Amino acid sequence: RKEVEQDPGPFNVPEGATVAFNCTYSNSASQSFFWYRQDCRKEPKLLMSVYSSGNEDGRFTAQLNRASQYISLLIRDSKLSDSATYLCVVNTRYSGGGADGLTFGKGTHLIIQP
Amino acid sequence: DTEVTQTPKHLVMGMTNKKSLKCEQHMGHRAMYWYKQKAKKPPELMFVYSYEKLSINESVPSRFSPECPNSSLLNLHLHALQPEDSALYLCASSPQQRDTQYFGPGTRLTVL
Repeated sequence: RKEVEQDPGPFNVPEGATVAFNCTYSNSASQSFFWYRQDCRKEPKLLMSVYSSGNEDGRFTAQLNRASQYISLLIRDSKLSDSATYLCVVNTRYSGGGADGLTFGKGTHLIIQP
Repeated sequence: DTEVTQTPKHLVMGMTNKKSLKCEQHMGHRAMYWYKQKAKKPPELMFVYSYEKLSINESVPSRFSPECPNSSLLNLHLHALQPEDSALYLCASSPQQRDTQYFGPGTRLTVL
C-alpha cells in the first residue's frame, strides 16, 4: 500500500469554479500534514499546513480527518494562476526511531481553463 | 530572509567526473534535506541532516555523498554517476525535523 495516495488527474476546471482534491495516507502515526504546490520545472512551494480543526487561507480550505486518514483541499473561485500540481505531503517516522521526514504523494495536476 | 539558495542551477557532467551541489539557508533552520525528483514524479527523500548530523540516509548509493559543514550549508558530492541519476536535485530546510520545509530552486543535473 502506498504511503500517500492522490488522484493524479488532470483535473480540467473552468475559471471561477470550485475544485476539491483528496488524499489518503497509510501511516496512522503521522502527525504533520501539508499541501504543497509545484509549477512545471520549479520547486515545491508550501501552500498550507493542514490541521485537525480545518483551516482556511483566502480561497483555499484544507481539512484533515484522522479517523479516515484523509486530507482534502478545496479551491474556490479558481484562477488561471492556480494551474499547477498539488502535492499532498505527510510527515513520516522513519525506521531507527526519532527521525522524521516528509513523504510526498504523486501530486494532482490541475488545469484551469479560461 | 526566507530563502534557500542552490548552486549551480544546471550541471552537466560525465560519468567519470566529480562535482558538488551546494545549498545554503540563513533562516536559522536546524534541519536540512536533499531530495531527488525525476520528471512527472514527486520528490524522493535522499538525506536528512538535523543539527549538522546525518539522521536519515534513504539507502542512497555511495556515489552520492552528503556533507554539512555548518548549520547554514549543505553539500552533495557526486562521483561516478550514472545517466539514470539525471534529475532535479532539491534542497530544503526546516526549523526542526518535523516542521514545514522550504525548498530551494533545485539543481537540474544531466549525466552523460
